[in-house]
Amino acid sequence: NAGVTQTPKFQVLKTGQSMTLQCAQDMNHNSMYWYRQDPGMGLRLIYYSASEGTTDKGEVPNGYNVSRLNKREFSLRLESAAPSQTSVYFCASRTGVVEQYFGPGTRLTVT
Amino acid sequence: RKEVEQDPGPFNVPEGATVAFNCTYSNSASQSFFWYRQDCRKEPKLLMSVYSSGNEDGRFTAQLNRASQYISLLIRDSKLSDSATYLCVVNRGGGANNLFFGTGTRLTVIP
Repeated sequence: NAGVTQTPKFQVLKTGQSMTLQCAQDMNHNSMYWYRQDPGMGLRLIYYSASEGTTDKGEVPNGYNVSRLNKREFSLRLESAAPSQTSVYFCASRTGVVEQYFGPGTRLTVT
Repeated sequence: RKEVEQDPGPFNVPEGATVAFNCTYSNSASQSFFWYRQDCRKEPKLLMSVYSSGNEDGRFTAQLNRASQYISLLIRDSKLSDSATYLCVVNRGGGANNLFFGTGTRLTVIP
């Protein structure tokens, strides 16, 4: 039982490049989330998927797109990376009101 | 006003000390409450849930005051391994996008 996995762990992009962050969970959770974490800002929700087949915007969705590929997988895409998207990205999953499980994070730098 | 507010610290305490963190939340309809722990460069993990009657887990005690809308975490006999950032988390209820994270309080336990 791996929990929540994310790839890649680290990435450096040039401004304007695109990339997809991958996330998978093996806990049969319905809901999945993408957050970014910046110093002094805490965790901010980018997008979430309440269940397979649905996605919704969170607090900071601009510049991102998501795909809930199936119940296990939820990807985050940056179409044209900007320096303001330099951050640590966490994927998370849960069902109901119980504990939310986070992946190990992706450290992204955009130059 | 933010949903969840915490004193960012840092709190620097000697080993063996008792330290307390407070957190306030703005929505009186909030339903459940948690403390998460985040080690440096790692993902957040659930430390403990917070119940109305207060609850204890070893050296950790969590309390909820619904009337004043605050949550506290008390750590007794601090250990070096307690050094981390502690996130206050509030579940507002009403759907998948209902968890709100504080920005965290950083604790450093000094030998």
